[in-house]
Amino acid sequence: SAVISQKPSRDICQRGTSLTIQCQVDSQVTMMFWYRQQPGQSLTLIATANQGSEATYESGFVIDKFPISRPNLTFSTLTVSNMSPEDSSIYLCSVWGGELFFGEGSRLTVL
Amino acid sequence: GQQLNQSPQSMFIQEGEDVSMNCTSSSIFNTWLWYKQEPGEGPVLLIALYKAGELTSNGRLTAQFGITRKDSFLNISASIPSDVGIYFCAGRGGSNYKLTFGKGTLLTVNP
Repeated sequence: SAVISQKPSRDICQRGTSLTIQCQVDSQVTMMFWYRQQPGQSLTLIATANQGSEATYESGFVIDKFPISRPNLTFSTLTVSNMSPEDSSIYLCSVWGGELFFGEGSRLTVL
Repeated sequence: GQQLNQSPQSMFIQEGEDVSMNCTSSSIFNTWLWYKQEPGEGPVLLIALYKAGELTSNGRLTAQFGITRKDSFLNISASIPSDVGIYFCAGRGGSNYKLTFGKGTLLTVNP
């Protein structure tokens, strides 16, 4: 399976600020996804990151809050905008490689 | 939308004991997956099941795809301390890439 690297691995952020999470894959992949895992909860799909076009967002998630870039087949970013404490979560990048594989996650704490 | 009920929510067992956890759905799934998430890491795929009735093993782990296609179970035999983590079931109901995740089973193994 592909090696999926995320940066930052963790961060503490102030309310009202924005943070961009990077996801780098060691091979070209067609499908990349972003998930959120709130404390003690399961995984929820935020959006599908489409290469060369706008991301496809799931119900309850909007582009203004979670803008996503996918400039090529090995890289994507997720920005969490205008953060509030409710955005404190693990954000996970995942790729399709016959099945769904995940990065190690980015743990955000918003104060 | 599709929902998965995963049980038990948590388990605290002695090293050497066998463990069983399961997921049930109100909808039919075509694929069942089991992931393990250790502290500070992303979920790692353990077993994938693609056919009703399929029984698949991965070392000490065994998982089955229920005949009704609405349930799956995961067994861990002779548990060891490194089995500690959160185990998630996930199901896929259609031909797309989207997964529905259970809420996880937190496994603690007492040496």
